[in-house]
Amino acid sequence: AQTVTQSQPEMSVQEAETVTLSCTYDTSESDYYLFWYKQPPSRQMILVIRQEAYKQQNATENRFSVNFQKAAKSFSLKISDSQLGDAAMYFCAYRSLYNNNDMRFGAGTRLTVKP
Amino acid sequence: EPEVTQTPSHQVTQMGQEVILRCVPISNHLYFYWYRQILGQKVEFLVSFYNNEISEKSEIFDDQFSVERPDGSNFTLKIRSTKLEDSAMYFCASSEALGRGTDTQYFGPGTRLTVL
Repeated sequence: AQTVTQSQPEMSVQEAETVTLSCTYDTSESDYYLFWYKQPPSRQMILVIRQEAYKQQNATENRFSVNFQKAAKSFSLKISDSQLGDAAMYFCAYRSLYNNNDMRFGAGTRLTVKP
Repeated sequence: EPEVTQTPSHQVTQMGQEVILRCVPISNHLYFYWYRQILGQKVEFLVSFYNNEISEKSEIFDDQFSVERPDGSNFTLKIRSTKLEDSAMYFCASSEALGRGTDTQYFGPGTRLTVL
């Protein structure tokens, strides 16, 4: 079974600085999807960015980018120019392309942004 | 931008009662999901639903749970005879399809279920 590990329960960053959140996963599949979701205090899960494993190019969405290392099974999220509104719980998630359509989530990293 | 909506935002119930959590997926989406997040724990997959039937379910989704799409817009999760350990945030999600570029799951805001 696929597992997703987020080794940083909490991270903090100064406003306008850059922070990187780590995620590793375990799978025997060759094609799959990876996601980062943001969960602010309102508890809504918001899609931040997605990466398809067959694509070598790292996904980017404005201030959010990923460092996808397929061989190392690593999928880190970089947030540039951090803003107060970025403060939230961030979940890394894996979704199989072949076997099922559920997603496996990591335990989450709570990001604090200091003014 | 279209959103997944869920009602109620918070449901309080007595142990042993039945609850129905409601979701309205994004209108052109065909795949629907329920997830659960016990406070302080991971988000866990419960069930996926397509073409009016369950396509996948986890070991959590036992006979206590059922899902239904009673009409063209709502997608419901019913929990029979609730237990204290059912207290959690329940998220509904939907995706357009399963193919590349259409399978991103969009989540609703969640329903907080409290079982007393």
